[in-house]
Amino acid sequence: QKEVEQNSGPLSVPEGAIASLNCTYSDRGSQSFFWYRQYSGKSPELIMFIYSNGDKEDGRFTAQLNKASQYVSLLIRDSQPSDSATYLCAAASGSARQLTFGSGTQLTVLP
Amino acid sequence: SQTIHQWPATLVQPVGSPLSLECTVEGTSNPNLYWYRQAAGRGLQLLFYSIGIDQISSEVPQNLSASRPQDRQFILSSKKLLLSDSGFYLCAWISAGGYGYTFGSGTRLTVV
Repeated sequence: QKEVEQNSGPLSVPEGAIASLNCTYSDRGSQSFFWYRQYSGKSPELIMFIYSNGDKEDGRFTAQLNKASQYVSLLIRDSQPSDSATYLCAAASGSARQLTFGSGTQLTVLP
Repeated sequence: SQTIHQWPATLVQPVGSPLSLECTVEGTSNPNLYWYRQAAGRGLQLLFYSIGIDQISSEVPQNLSASRPQDRQFILSSKKLLLSDSGFYLCAWISAGGYGYTFGSGTRLTVV
């Protein structure tokens, strides 16, 4: 059974702070990893993906992957109230690149 | 540009009624297509995926079925809805060589 685990939160950070979101996965065959942001009542939107060990930066977002520890994280620098949403971690595996999602972490950025 | 269309946006159906949700993708050929369901306050559960016309794989046994009659059309159906079928249904696609899904806007289904 492939599983992706996330702390459900809620996680609250003040505006301008760094938000740190974490995720672990069970399937060592997972090939790539994704972070999606989902606003309430909306569909998820892709923020970042990572497939190599180490860090990947895109603007205020940094994804980190450690395959040995089966651990993925997302850092959001200079957090803004508009970053308040649920963040979903996902791992891809299988010939059809099926994504297994975690249950999400709810983030609130306080003005 | 590639776009994904999903309809209807909301649906209220009685228990035992049939269901048909449709998803179409524009601007790409031979995409992988997926149906997910999100129960209230929960993560996304993969229901079906398809790598080509009439090639459907089911992840979770239940009273739902899926079909792909055309390359860029994916349909989710049920003959008789259950209360437990309520949720947010999302269609997604990915192109060959692409990374990460693009989701449709979703259908919020309430079975009463």
